[in-house]
Amino acid sequence: KAGVTQTPRYLIKTRGQQVTLSCSPISGHRSVSWYQQTPGQGLQFLFEYFSETQRNKGNFPGRFSGRQFSNSRSEMNVSTLELGDSALYLCASSLITGEDSPLHFGNGTRLTVT
Amino acid sequence: AQKITQTQPGMFVQEKEAVTLDCTYDTSDPSYGLFWYKQPSSGEMIFLIYQGSYDQQNATEGRYSLNFQKARKSANLVISASQLGDSAMYFCAMRERRTDKLIFGTGTRLQVFP
Repeated sequence: KAGVTQTPRYLIKTRGQQVTLSCSPISGHRSVSWYQQTPGQGLQFLFEYFSETQRNKGNFPGRFSGRQFSNSRSEMNVSTLELGDSALYLCASSLITGEDSPLHFGNGTRLTVT
Repeated sequence: AQKITQTQPGMFVQEKEAVTLDCTYDTSDPSYGLFWYKQPSSGEMIFLIYQGSYDQQNATEGRYSLNFQKARKSANLVISASQLGDSAMYFCAMRERRTDKLIFGTGTRLQVFP
């Protein structure tokens, strides 16, 4: 069974641009979550989607948005990029939601904003 | 508010020895799950082990075991017979039923030496 696939692996953008990251979950998984990882802030939760609906959201500005498609694939968009958005963005999927459902992560997209 | 604390920024262990990585948590939700993840330098987050708040026995998965002490709110990871490939960052995480967000600790960098 294929794991969580994130594309692209690396991205370099300039301030003010926007970017879209893609995530394909494990086959059959309906929940997709996104995390931002930086050396200073660690792993921070962005949002979670289940059956095309956003179920949960972290404390990020509105420049960060996402969506999930009917095939459970998800995209995350960041508009008006800032230098501080440079990070590793991790996508994770799970079969169901709930406190007993482990997340399975992809390899991440490393975004560099110059 | 839910919180995860990992007080060991770094740990060293000799190959074939056992090592314990500490994790304490705080929550007012009686239903929660505790997870450990491994993150090698390549960046992927690998799910290792899960413990439910109502589980009576400590979870084990191969060389990994979780020392769950509910009254102390601790969920330490024990790695037996360390291998060079165990060198990585290790994250403790918790997911409450109420908020359903998986939050992470700051991580412990484990280095295994020959």
